Amino acid sequence: GAGVSQSPRYKVAKRGQDVALRCDPISGHVSLFWYQQALGQGPEFLTYFQNEAQLDKSGLPSDRFFAERPEGSVSTLKIQRTQQEDSAVYLCASSLGGVAVGETQYFGPGTRLLVL
Amino acid sequence: DAKTTQPTSMDCAEGRAANLPCNHSTISGNEYVYWYRQIHSQGPQYIIHGLKNNETNEMASLIITEDRKSSTLILPHATLRDTAVYYCIVRPSNTGKLIFGQGTTLQVKP
Repeated sequence: GAGVSQSPRYKVAKRGQDVALRCDPISGHVSLFWYQQALGQGPEFLTYFQNEAQLDKSGLPSDRFFAERPEGSVSTLKIQRTQQEDSAVYLCASSLGGVAVGETQYFGPGTRLLVL
Repeated sequence: DAKTTQPTSMDCAEGRAANLPCNHSTISGNEYVYWYRQIHSQGPQYIIHGLKNNETNEMASLIITEDRKSSTLILPHATLRDTAVYYCIVRPSNTGKLIFGQGTTLQVKP
């Protein structure tokens, strides 16, 4: 079946531009996560949704980062006034249920953002 | 959150078992050990997880020491396609947040 999809796969932005990254989770998955992966590093947690509720946004690096999931399915990560340090791969993951142990997170291929 | 320590890199001959160690000496009772891997330019892929018992699935086996302070991921017959970065993660039971470290880069060689 279809896995987690993300679009665009690659995005080049000029410094100061706003960008929007989309995640389509696996159909029916309740939980959705965003991670940021800098070059040569492991992914770092950004935020978590259970249905449409954003339950944890402790990893968002600044108020320029905003995520939403208005209908509990598709999610958008928005970065305002992009900076060069925002260049990274942005990964989305979803899981079937809540955050109980045993709920496997399935990751998408990521969006590679380059800010010039 | 408990931290994990893994070797930076390892090599393994194709067809041999790959044994990837992980130290998590500060793990607490409600924290699970998870393993994910990431093949170049792809998203992380779940491999296996466990609490205190050894676990096995179609991809790998997970051996957790009795004191739970370390674990080993075993790929029984490594292939070239197993070349990837392998992440050992300690995850509390009340959160879905995965905290990735640097991982181990496994290079399977012909």
